[in-house]
Amino acid sequence: EPEVTQTPSHQVTQMGQEVILRCVPISNHLYFYWYRQILGQKVEFLVSFYNNEISEKSEIFDDQFSVERPDGSNFTLKIRSTKLEDSAMYFCASSAPRDREVTGELFFGEGSRLTVL
Amino acid sequence: GENVEQHPSTLSVQEGDSAVIKCTYSDSASNYFPWYKQELGKGPQLIIDIRSNVGEKKDQRIAVTLNKTAKHFSLHITETQPEDSAVYFCAAMETSYDKVIFGPGTSLSVIP
Repeated sequence: EPEVTQTPSHQVTQMGQEVILRCVPISNHLYFYWYRQILGQKVEFLVSFYNNEISEKSEIFDDQFSVERPDGSNFTLKIRSTKLEDSAMYFCASSAPRDREVTGELFFGEGSRLTVL
Repeated sequence: GENVEQHPSTLSVQEGDSAVIKCTYSDSASNYFPWYKQELGKGPQLIIDIRSNVGEKKDQRIAVTLNKTAKHFSLHITETQPEDSAVYFCAAMETSYDKVIFGPGTSLSVIP
């Protein structure tokens, strides 16, 4: 069964460093998302991406964040200059299969744990 | 924007009993309400969903009810089993698919 894959599973970085988290969404999906979950807290929406551009973003998604779909299969989240409070689990998700009825279901990856020291 | 509240934050039930989790949402334009289950160390996974043109939906031991007038919806799990222990998130979404907003989660423990 197709799945969303994320790398790395865990990244440790120093404050102020740039981090890129990578995701391979399900291949025939049209919408891609990044969510963040600080340990033990809610799953927070960061950004959605459709038709090669940002569709919606939250107030968390400030100028330090960017997303890219560089090659038609990968979907990346870049944090330009990490802060301590960026430590969290970052989930990529995709939805809306091109060739089937759109249900709204999000398919999540296993997450990338980011630790900022 | 949309805001989703969820209660209780933790719930402990005996195996075989029922569990009920309640959510409210703020944006009347939302019309799709999924429920996700998150097991430790994994990403959320859809377990059931309901659209605004339906008041109730059932799938084996899981059921969801929606009251669009009151803007609340609930998850009911009957005959709970230890493997039901997880964090459950309700969520709300508009048909644009741009954004799914999650509630804060309920940590369910089923005691054998």
